Amino acid sequence: GAVVSQHPSWVICKSGTSVKIECRSLDFQATTMFWYRQFPKQSLMLMATSNEGSKATYEQGVEKDKFLINHASLTLSTLTVTSAHPEDSSFYICSAGESGRAWGTDTQYFGPGTRLTVL
Amino acid sequence: AQSVSQHNHHVILSEAASLELGCNYSYGGTVNLFWYVQYPGQHLQLLLKYFSGDPLVKGIKGFEAEFIKSKFSFNLRKPSVQWSDTAEYFCAVNGGGNKLTFGTGTQLKVEL
Repeated sequence: GAVVSQHPSWVICKSGTSVKIECRSLDFQATTMFWYRQFPKQSLMLMATSNEGSKATYEQGVEKDKFLINHASLTLSTLTVTSAHPEDSSFYICSAGESGRAWGTDTQYFGPGTRLTVL
Repeated sequence: AQSVSQHNHHVILSEAASLELGCNYSYGGTVNLFWYVQYPGQHLQLLLKYFSGDPLVKGIKGFEAEFIKSKFSFNLRKPSVQWSDTAEYFCAVNGGGNKLTFGTGTQLKVEL
């Protein structure tokens, strides 16, 4: 149980184009999903918290107009990198916690990540 | 703001050696603590977690961690490592809501 998938697993795009990444909780419902970015040989940096049915909460320094997040259902969140540039190339990882748990006690389950390369 | 420090960036051990990876956190309130593992080419997996109760937590694959509140530490241990434990290990803390703050990770290499 508690499987999170991401699609695509990797994507190469031209500078200026937009890329959409999907994150799905396969066998549980997730009120909240999280989007992280991981640079080579570095830790995961939280970008934003995606809340089902409401606006995402972005971390300081993350451009909300560039990284559009939509959490339309309890099993799907999408991250769209708009007008991508080479500096956006990174490994993007999502996670999801099971709904209904006490505040602060969610265990997050992670997706396999999406490697984005912007040429 | 909460922060997590992992002081060992790279660790190399021989099979059957004992392992201890350090993790210290900075947060003034109640915390939930986690260790995640990322095997080569795979996604992050939960090794173990501490929410409350017994400060010695046992996880999967023979790993355990001890929460020492006075030292703000949550070190990961395994008595005898195997080659298959080669991976990157991340300590994480949740001090408010469900947002996780990760340490920088420790790359463990186990040699035969």
